[in-house]
Amino acid sequence: QKEVEQNSGPLSVPEGAIASLNCTYSDRGSQSFFWYRQYSGKSPELIMFIYSNGDKEDGRFTAQLNKASQYVSLLIRDSQPSDSATYLCAVKAGWSGYSTLTFGKGTMLLVSP
Amino acid sequence: DGGITQSPKYLFRKEGQNVTLSCEQNLNHDAMYWYRQDPGQGLRLIYYSQIVNDFQKGDIAEGYSVSREKKESFPLTVTSAQKNPTAFYLCASSLASGASTNEQFFGPGTRLTVL
Repeated sequence: QKEVEQNSGPLSVPEGAIASLNCTYSDRGSQSFFWYRQYSGKSPELIMFIYSNGDKEDGRFTAQLNKASQYVSLLIRDSQPSDSATYLCAVKAGWSGYSTLTFGKGTMLLVSP
Repeated sequence: DGGITQSPKYLFRKEGQNVTLSCEQNLNHDAMYWYRQDPGQGLRLIYYSQIVNDFQKGDIAEGYSVSREKKESFPLTVTSAQKNPTAFYLCASSLASGASTNEQFFGPGTRLTVL
């Protein structure tokens, strides 16, 4: 059974701070890792993906991957109230384009002005 | 304007009825997916299709059926056999090449309520 674990939160940070969202996964064969943002009542939107160990930066977002520890994280710098949402971690096993995603339950982030 | 559309946005079903949720994409994606999301829960995979006229069961396929007669369309039928169908239903699509990423993109969702 493939599992993806996230702290449900809420994670509360003040505006301008760094928000750190964490995700662990059980399947050592996992190869690709995705972060989605979901506003209340809306569908998920892709923020970024990572598949190599280390850091990947895109604007205010940095994804970090440690396959040995089976751990992936998302850092949001200079957090804004508009970043308040639920962040979903998703994991794909294998290199095949036909592999499916396994989602965590998400972490709710609240950024206070 | 490329994207994924789902209709209707809200759907109400009476006990014992079958209902069909529409999903269309014009992204020329090969693969399409249906997920269900319950409050406070992650997404659970119902069915997916990687090519026309072929589809596979996901983790919670019981009480659901799908078809893939066209590349652009992947309708989901929620049958009367589904015991607790009230949920937010999300359709997604992706390329299905050998590349490792093949990000999935989501439609706006259909919120189904059983009366």
